[in-house]
Amino acid sequence: EAQVTQNPRYLITVTGKKLTVTCSQNMNHEYMSWYRQDPGLGLRQIYYSMNVEVTDKGDVPEGYKVSRKEKRNFPLILESPSPNQTSLYFCASSLAVNNEQFFGPGTRLTVL
Amino acid sequence: AQTVTQSQPEMSVQEAETVTLSCTYDTSENNYYLFWYKQPPSRQMILVIRQEAYKQQNATENRFSVNFQKAAKSFSLKISDSQLGDTAMYFCAFMKSANSKLTFGKGITLSVRP
Repeated sequence: EAQVTQNPRYLITVTGKKLTVTCSQNMNHEYMSWYRQDPGLGLRQIYYSMNVEVTDKGDVPEGYKVSRKEKRNFPLILESPSPNQTSLYFCASSLAVNNEQFFGPGTRLTVL
Repeated sequence: AQTVTQSQPEMSVQEAETVTLSCTYDTSENNYYLFWYKQPPSRQMILVIRQEAYKQQNATENRFSVNFQKAAKSFSLKISDSQLGDTAMYFCAFMKSANSKLTFGKGITLSVRP
C-alpha cells in the first residue's frame, strides 16, 4: 500500500531531551516536507526537501533539524525540545514539485 | 510572502443541503496551485480538490466543486448534498509553483447536522 508513515504516533518527553520523529514513504517521491499544526494557526511548514541531500527551511525552522540521506526517509530532529514545540506534526511527500502532497498520519508531541 | 485567509471559523449545514466554504489568498505569483484539504477527527489530512491557477475552468470532484476567481484571489469550496461524513475541519492551501511550498489557512470546522 502506498503510504507515508511516521513514528512515533504519540510522544511525551521532557525539555532538553533530544528526539527524532521518523518519516518514510514508499512511493519513490522526490519531494518531502514537515509541517506543524497548532490550534488557530493551521499548518505551517518547518522544512522541506526537493531531493536527496537537498533541504531548505520553511516558515518555522527554529529548533528543528532534518536530513535527507536517502529518498524514502526524512527524519525530523529536535536537538533540545522546548514546551513551545508541543504540537501535531505531519510529514508529507509528493512525486515531484507541483504535485499534490500526501500526508502521513501525524505525530502528537508533548514537551513537558 | 503568500497568505491564505479563511475568515469563518465554523459553519453548520443540514444533511443533504449545500454549503460553501470561503477562502481568499494574497500573492504576487502568477503560477501557483490551490487546494482544499479535509481533516476529519482522525486527524488525517485528505486532499479534496486541486486547482491550477492557469486553468480557467473550475475543478470538480463528485460532490465537491470550487469557484476560482483569480482576479479577486478567491477560492471557495462548494459541497453539494452534504453527508454526515463531511463533518471535519477544512483547510484551504496555496502552493507556490517554484518549490511546492504549501501555505495553509487557519481552517474552518464544518458540522453536518442529521
